[in-house]
Amino acid sequence: EVHLVESGGGLTQPGGSLRLSCAASGFTFSNYAMTWVRQAPGKGLEWVSLISGSGHSTYYADPVKGRLTISRDNSKNTLYLQMNSLRAEDTAVYYCAKASAYYYGSGFDYWGQGTLVTVSS
Amino acid sequence: QSALTQPASVSGSPGQSITISCTGTSSDIGAFNYVSWYRQNPGKAPKLMIYDVRNRPSGISNRFSGSKSGNTASLTISGLQAEDEGDYYCSSYTSNTTYVFGLGTKVTVL
Repeated sequence: EVHLVESGGGLTQPGGSLRLSCAASGFTFSNYAMTWVRQAPGKGLEWVSLISGSGHSTYYADPVKGRLTISRDNSKNTLYLQMNSLRAEDTAVYYCAKASAYYYGSGFDYWGQGTLVTVSS
Repeated sequence: QSALTQPASVSGSPGQSITISCTGTSSDIGAFNYVSWYRQNPGKAPKLMIYDVRNRPSGISNRFSGSKSGNTASLTISGLQAEDEGDYYCSSYTSNTTYVFGLGTKVTVL
């Protein structure tokens, strides 16, 4: 059974940093692209970033480019999101999710429970 | 990348059919057959309901169907049931190798 478990969220001040992790199990991790999606309190879903199965290719939404970095360690079946220069508007629940197929464009079929990031002074 | 446009709310009685629209541009919905639909219940993670415009993941009822015409995708729920309530989000792959979500539609079963 596929499981995704996020961790690393918390409270930080504007300009601060956090590193989110997503531990994956139940599937061949390196075969699938992984993504981060966030949801601000009371708002809709916002795609943040995606990384290929090998980790060689990464993609970002414009609002986070240059501040957030996605990475993965396939030997540890773990996805990461390094978050720097955080802003109040980055406050959200961050979900990791697995691509449903081997090609870009497919939906995301398994999601973690989410981890809350709060940026406030 | 602007969010895809969805109606804020759609409602229907049990047994009825409802359709949720999702309008994008020629750079996202119109460019690829890579539209997905998710349902999210309060306090829960999203659940994939439809991928690649019209395909259902294993375990998703055939009461859910997807379609696309031009820059607009649609999700139809037939035989509406109380358990279908939730927030529904469309999503599309884009020509910038990114993804974009819709603003969400609250489905209420009357």
